[in-house]
Amino acid sequence: GESVGLHLPTLSVQEGDNSIINCAYSNSASDYFIWYKQESGKGPQFIIDIRSNMDKRQGQRVTVLLNKTVKHLSLQIAATQPGDSAVYFCAENPPSYIPTFGRGTSLIVHP
Amino acid sequence: EAQVTQNPRYLITVTGKKLTVTCSQNMNHEYMSWYRQDPGLGLRQIYYSMNVEVTDKGDVPEGYKVSRKEKRNFPLILESPSPNQTSLYFCASSLKPEPSPLHFGNGTRLTVT
Repeated sequence: GESVGLHLPTLSVQEGDNSIINCAYSNSASDYFIWYKQESGKGPQFIIDIRSNMDKRQGQRVTVLLNKTVKHLSLQIAATQPGDSAVYFCAENPPSYIPTFGRGTSLIVHP
Repeated sequence: EAQVTQNPRYLITVTGKKLTVTCSQNMNHEYMSWYRQDPGLGLRQIYYSMNVEVTDKGDVPEGYKVSRKEKRNFPLILESPSPNQTSLYFCASSLKPEPSPLHFGNGTRLTVT
């Protein structure tokens, strides 16, 4: 498959553990944030989003936390599964609408 | 099925030989964009389009052209490819005007020798 994980921060977890992936964003005017998952050989896929008027949003097994004070975003994955192994990107949307992506974190789940 | 379709998936070419990577979306999205992805550099935007006949440069537009004659199509053109354009390319689209998630194609792996 495609190798997009080179030189990326890597998080290794055991199956069943909870995973936390962090992201620092740069623009204090950004008002919309998204997490994407990219599996080998595929394009990034939307996981969960959050707007700046919220500080937490939950989906199925995933939670996004937003701390605007320190410009920090995190993605929590509960009961991590081997199928969660992928590269995870955060993206911020400033009012100009053009999203900016983080460099990504490679999540490796060991059975 | 709602999707963004890129073609080809893999392309090997030689320096200077013009090529086009096609991108089509079936979701009636106004916004479309091209990215390149290189190890350690993440996704970098090449060009984007807010609507038909409206295109703008992204962060790394040099050596690329785009056009948006129809809402669904947003081809990426390399008039004279060079080896530093060897990369993994993604097309993406989304709704406007409210910010919304991007829908990505599955990528085009380009090698320029």
